[in-house]
Amino acid sequence: AQSVSQHNHHVILSEAASLELGCNYSYGGTVNLFWYVQYPGQHLQLLLKYFSGDPLVKGIKGFEAEFIKSKFSFNLRKPSVQWSDTAEYFCAVRAGNMLTFGGGTRLMVKP
Amino acid sequence: KAGVTQTPRYLIKTRGQQVTLSCSPISGHRSVSWYQQTPGQGLQFLFEYFSETQRNKGNFPGRFSGRQFSNSRSEMNVSTLELGDSALYLCASSPTTSYISGNTIYFGEGSWLTVV
Repeated sequence: AQSVSQHNHHVILSEAASLELGCNYSYGGTVNLFWYVQYPGQHLQLLLKYFSGDPLVKGIKGFEAEFIKSKFSFNLRKPSVQWSDTAEYFCAVRAGNMLTFGGGTRLMVKP
Repeated sequence: KAGVTQTPRYLIKTRGQQVTLSCSPISGHRSVSWYQQTPGQGLQFLFEYFSETQRNKGNFPGRFSGRQFSNSRSEMNVSTLELGDSALYLCASSPTTSYISGNTIYFGEGSWLTVV
């Protein structure tokens, strides 16, 4: 069965620090990749997605992610975080007939 | 365009009762998926409906069921509630089945269920 791993369960950063959240999956075929964000008290929102083409994708709010097929990874990055980025981040992978979510990473940004 | 709408937003039920949650997808979307979100288990897939037919099912007991109507609105039902069913239940919609490549799913705000 496919799986999606987000190894960092909790991340604490100061404002202006750089962010990288890891996402690894186990599936050897064609995949679609997503990052969703859930701000406190709000619903899951799509940050960015990768279907094909340029492996470096840019999303909303200055986020980007890079698909590295050889490493089965789709890490999320942001050069300089803000307090408003405090949220839970979920990686999701569509492979075969399943869309599977990672366990989530809680990010806290200290002002 | 209105987003995915879920009702009720919050509810409290007693063990042994049953509950029905409702979801209206984004206009034009024909697929509705349901997820259970808990702090310990994260997001777990319950089932997906497309054109009134269940297309995919997660690993949940038969107490969890759902259906979809001709207007694409969906309901999920949990019978004989247990304390462990306390969770945020999320509905997501997409234009076609969620596992079709190139498709994106959009989430509603969820229904918070507390079982006491």
